[in-house]
Amino acid sequence: IQLTQSPSFLSASIGDRVSITCRASQGITRYLAWYQVRPGKAPTLLIYAASTLRSGVPSRFSGVGSGTDFTLTISSLQPEDFATYYCQHFDTFPYTFGQGTKLEIK
Amino acid sequence: EVQLVESGGGLVRPGRSLRLSCAASGFTFDDFAMHWVRLVPGKGLEWVAGMTWTGTTAHYADSVTGRFTISRDNANNSLYLQMDDLRPEDTALYFCARDRGSEVTISDYWGQGTLVTVSS
Repeated sequence: IQLTQSPSFLSASIGDRVSITCRASQGITRYLAWYQVRPGKAPTLLIYAASTLRSGVPSRFSGVGSGTDFTLTISSLQPEDFATYYCQHFDTFPYTFGQGTKLEIK
Repeated sequence: EVQLVESGGGLVRPGRSLRLSCAASGFTFDDFAMHWVRLVPGKGLEWVAGMTWTGTTAHYADSVTGRFTISRDNANNSLYLQMDDLRPEDTALYFCARDRGSEVTISDYWGQGTLVTVSS
């Protein structure tokens, strides 16, 4: 199963609302997670099962979708949100990640 | 506090082997499945392998099947990745990660990674 994220690069300002999409090459019901990766830091799980916010993750992060189309939205960008975001499916083996979306400060 | 500490990375020639280790603490190790995931320079994250809590079932990415072997020692709270026939494209930062549950699904805690460089 291939995951295609768009856009690959995103430039935005503090306070902006941004969305990242992840499209699967075949249906994966809701077996999708989103991760944040900051330079020099371990990846962080944000959302799993397409829309369930992991405990402790700020509520400005949200996820929607099912089947083949999924979206991660950050409602009001904070400085610590500028990072690279990845989707990952866990429907059937082997699991795969999207190619990543790098979110940069405008 | 969940802690995962990887070790064993380094510079290795193509075709050679390397064994990565991960020391886990802060949780009941044998309650959880475990993963290896790598961050490939210029390419992104790649799921490498996962193993159930019992250690009886393992799953692998197509790119490493037949060359890498994941294993665990529940008595010593340790996870391993035996990497044989290494290739330049295996160059990456390798992370040990804990699953959210006992079966192989998604990772909720990650270590800081150990760097593997495959080059002649």
